[in-house]
Amino acid sequence: AQSVTQLDSHVSVSEGTPVLLRCNYSSSYSPSLFWYVQHPNKGLQLLLKYTSAATLVKGINGFEAEFKKSETSFHLTKPSAHMSDAAEYFCVVISLSGGYNKLIFGAGTRLAVHP
Amino acid sequence: DAMVIQNPRYQVTQFGKPVTLSCSQTLNHNVMYWYQQKSSQAPKLLFHYYDKDFNNEADTPDNFQSRRPNTSFCFLDIRSPGLGDAAMYLCATRGQGTPTYEQYFGPGTRLTVT
Repeated sequence: AQSVTQLDSHVSVSEGTPVLLRCNYSSSYSPSLFWYVQHPNKGLQLLLKYTSAATLVKGINGFEAEFKKSETSFHLTKPSAHMSDAAEYFCVVISLSGGYNKLIFGAGTRLAVHP
Repeated sequence: DAMVIQNPRYQVTQFGKPVTLSCSQTLNHNVMYWYQQKSSQAPKLLFHYYDKDFNNEADTPDNFQSRRPNTSFCFLDIRSPGLGDAAMYLCATRGQGTPTYEQYFGPGTRLTVT
């Protein structure tokens, strides 16, 4: 079965410093992985996706993630945090079972950005 | 712009009073999903439509029903809301031809039960 584990429930950084949100995955086949962001009282927005092409994936708003098969990780990074990055971030893996696919969510990481 | 629209954004209903949430999309996607998201939790899939084919998750309560009259619209009906049904309800879509399976989410409807 496919699953993802987000290793930190809360991350706090200062504006202008790097961001690292950690995600490990478990999959019995080559996974499709995503990072979604959710700002307060908003829907989820796709940040980036990995689908077995390049292992370093660039997304919107300066975020990127690196797929590391040997470490079963898909960590999200950004070189310099902005105040507007404060939000909830979900690591997601696709599960293909029962004749259809579904998103399997991690528990989420809340990112706080301080001035 | 093509998008997923949910109305209303905020809904207050009374305990036991039926309520309907709506979702529309201009993406012409054939798959539509309903999720329930409680505070500080990940979204939980309730059910989805693949065209007109309805797929219910095994643990979705019977109190939750859905209708999809056409490709563009999908409704979530809660027949007798309880206090535990207060949550954000998210609608999402996916195109059949999307090889990478990502879903596009609406802004959500926050339901309060009094």
